Amino acid sequence: NAGVTQTPKFQVLKTGQSMTLQCAQDMNHNSMYWYRQDPGMGLRLIYYSASEGTTDKGEVPNGYNVSRLNKREFSLRLESAAPSQTSVYFCASRKVGLGRGRSTEAFFGQGTRLTVV
Amino acid sequence: QKEVEQNSGPLSVPEGAIASLNCTYSDRGSQSFFWYRQYSGKSPELIMFIYSNGDKEDGRFTAQLNKASQYVSLLIRDSQPSDSATYLCAVNQAGTALIFGKGTTLSVSS
Repeated sequence: NAGVTQTPKFQVLKTGQSMTLQCAQDMNHNSMYWYRQDPGMGLRLIYYSASEGTTDKGEVPNGYNVSRLNKREFSLRLESAAPSQTSVYFCASRKVGLGRGRSTEAFFGQGTRLTVV
Repeated sequence: QKEVEQNSGPLSVPEGAIASLNCTYSDRGSQSFFWYRQYSGKSPELIMFIYSNGDKEDGRFTAQLNKASQYVSLLIRDSQPSDSATYLCAVNQAGTALIFGKGTTLSVSS
């Protein structure tokens, strides 16, 4: 049982290059998330997918796109990378819809450390 | 203003003391609340979750929730140097967005 798997773990891009961060979970969770973490800023939500076939913007969506490929996979794409997108990116998943507005905790991948030069 | 607020710290306590971490949130419709611990360079890991008003205890950790005042707190009793980390409060907003605070850095000195 691998949990949440992110690839790659490290990446260096030049300004203007594009790339896709991959995320897959094997816990049969319905919701998946992408966060970025910068020093002193906590985790900021970029995009999330409540269920297969749906995606929604989070707190900092500009410069990113996402695809919920199927129930297991949720990818994050940077079309034209900028130095401001240098960050650590985390993918997470969890099960929502337990009733009474409750949900399980989020499980996190190992993170992707992205540097844009 | 971020929708989930935490004091960034650092919060420094001596070994064996009680560490108190606080979090406030803005969405009155929130129903699920989580505390995560994150060591430097690692992924966040869950410490506790709480759904209902009042206290919830798990070992040395106690989570407290007051929905009327829109705050949730975490108490760590008998703090250990290994508790030194960043503690993140997360709130499930109406719907499925899970929003985190900026985190509080805790330092426990031996």
